[in-house]
Amino acid sequence: GENVEQHPSTLSVQEGDSAVIKCTYSDSASNYFPWYKQELGKGPQLIIDIRSNVGEKKDQRIAVTLNKTAKHFSLHITETQPEDSAVYFCATLGAGSARQLTFGSGTQLTVLP
Amino acid sequence: DGGITQSPKYLFRKEGQNVTLSCEQNLNHDAMYWYRQDPGQGLRLIYYSQIVNDFQKGDIAEGYSVSREKKESFPLTVTSAQKNPTAFYLCASSNDRVQPQHFGDGTRLSIL
Repeated sequence: GENVEQHPSTLSVQEGDSAVIKCTYSDSASNYFPWYKQELGKGPQLIIDIRSNVGEKKDQRIAVTLNKTAKHFSLHITETQPEDSAVYFCATLGAGSARQLTFGSGTQLTVLP
Repeated sequence: DGGITQSPKYLFRKEGQNVTLSCEQNLNHDAMYWYRQDPGQGLRLIYYSQIVNDFQKGDIAEGYSVSREKKESFPLTVTSAQKNPTAFYLCASSNDRVQPQHFGDGTRLSIL
């Protein structure tokens, strides 16, 4: 089955700096790549997603890039703010009707004021 | 507001007891999912249902059971066969497999 590795597991940045989280995957047929933000005691919330026919997508301070050849995709957060502090998860969806989302192990992002 | 409601927020199970976690959605989504989250780990799929009266096992279905009698409801039963049930359980729904999943705020299950 699909294997998704997420790095780093923890990340601390100063407010205003950028943060980058990277995920690699094993199934070359994967075609959908969402990112979720999870605050303490809450369920994950979708913050951005990208499909395999697109190399980059941006939404205000958040961007995702996809390199299908290398089988990795990254989340970029610019001008970080304290409210960006949370756990971030990447996920992939393989082709085929029986395939479901496979999640990375998460990155705890702390934005220091 | 449309969304997913999980209840209860906290649940305690005694040894040998079955417990049922509730998940209700009013998003009119066809697909629903149950995940288990352990500290420092990603989400692992327990069961999913793509349509009413049909459901499939995920990666860690042993010790769990589900039903999908109504489109808006997908309850999860943690049976006594699940020897390590302490975890955070998350329910999600989506329009279909390739559409974004929306999550509830979870139920934390602990053993007494």
